[in-house]
Amino acid sequence: GENVEQHPSTLSVQEGDSAVIKCTYSDSASNYFPWYKQELGKRPQLIIDIRSNVGEKKDQRIAVTLNKTAKHFSLHITETQPEDSAVYFCAATVSGGGADGLTFGKGTHLIIQP
Amino acid sequence: EAGVAQSPRYKIIEKRQSVAFWCNPISGHATLYWYQQILGQGPKLLIQFQNNGVVDDSQLPKDRFSAERLKGVDSTLKIQPAKLEDSAVYLCASSQPLGGYTFGSGTRLTVV
Repeated sequence: GENVEQHPSTLSVQEGDSAVIKCTYSDSASNYFPWYKQELGKRPQLIIDIRSNVGEKKDQRIAVTLNKTAKHFSLHITETQPEDSAVYFCAATVSGGGADGLTFGKGTHLIIQP
Repeated sequence: EAGVAQSPRYKIIEKRQSVAFWCNPISGHATLYWYQQILGQGPKLLIQFQNNGVVDDSQLPKDRFSAERLKGVDSTLKIQPAKLEDSAVYLCASSQPLGGYTFGSGTRLTVV
């Protein structure tokens, strides 16, 4: 089955700086890669996703890049703000029918220092 | 659009007792998932339903966990008997084909 590794487990950055979280996956058939933000005691919220036919996707301060050859994808947050503090999870799956449950990484605790 | 509804929000039981969780997905979402999220970890898929059929239950501990989705809409997840290591948040999610996955708020289970 799929295995997703996520690094770092904790990331502390100064407000206004950029943050990068990296994930690798093992199943070359995986074609859908979402990123979730989870605040303490709350549900995971989708913040951005990318499919394997695209190398990069951007939404305001958030971007995701995908390297299919190396089987890794990354989340980039620019101009970080205090409200960006949360745990971020990457995930992967083979989307498009059949068994498409998400395999998650272990999470990155992002701390924005004022 | 109403979200994924789950109940109860919290449950405390003693080990060896049984417990059930309920989920109502977003209207029209044919696919429903149950995940287990242990504190400090990412969610782990337990079971996936497509309408009322099981698509994937490879990670469900079938000796104690069971789930059903009889009419292809809402679903229940049961644990019997519970163990201490079952303490976790149980998340339900639903999706449309090629659509995003939407999670419910979860049920926080504490087994003492």
